[in-house]
Amino acid sequence: KQEVTQIPAALSVPEGENLVLNCSFTDSAIYNLQWFRQDPGKGLTSLLLIQSSQREQTSGRLNASLDKSSGRSTLYIAASQPGDSATYLCAVTGATNKLIFGTGTLLAVQP
Amino acid sequence: ETGVTQSPTHLIKTRGQQVTLRCSSQSGHNTVSWYQQALGQGPQFIFQYYREEENGRGNFPPRFSGLQFPNYSSELNVNALELDDSALYLCASSLSPNLDTGELFFGEGSRLTVL
Repeated sequence: KQEVTQIPAALSVPEGENLVLNCSFTDSAIYNLQWFRQDPGKGLTSLLLIQSSQREQTSGRLNASLDKSSGRSTLYIAASQPGDSATYLCAVTGATNKLIFGTGTLLAVQP
Repeated sequence: ETGVTQSPTHLIKTRGQQVTLRCSSQSGHNTVSWYQQALGQGPQFIFQYYREEENGRGNFPPRFSGLQFPNYSSELNVNALELDDSALYLCASSLSPNLDTGELFFGEGSRLTVL
């Protein structure tokens, strides 16, 4: 059974810092991994999608990596801003065609 | 904005009641999935609908049921509501039921509170 874990559960950093969020999964037989952002009480916004054959994806100040063999992904946020404050969720998709989510990392960027 | 719309945005029910949540998928998307997100947790897969048929189900009891209409919009029905059903219910649409290459696009969710 696939399980997804995110560390840390919460993170507070001063504005301008670079930071890394971690995601691990137990079954390496995945199709892809997605990182989402969720603002309080809101839906999910897809940030980056990495296919199983890829190693990383970049969008602006965000860079996500995937090491399928070790069951790990990282989301790197450069030059953090207060507007980056949100919960970040990672999710993997496998043969069941459903997303399996971690519990998220709550990020607070202090001005 | 993803183009996936959900209604209502918030609602309050009492134990034992029934609720219907609605979702309109993004244009061109024929597959709808529903997820339940309890406070402080990641979303949990409820079921997926494709071509008006249930196409995969998570670990939820039969009192959670759904429909998909010819225009690909969908409903989630929950009977005999329990306190633990209080959650954010998220609808997501996709181009196909196979998620090996495609993305899911989520709506803003319906916040259900059961008293």
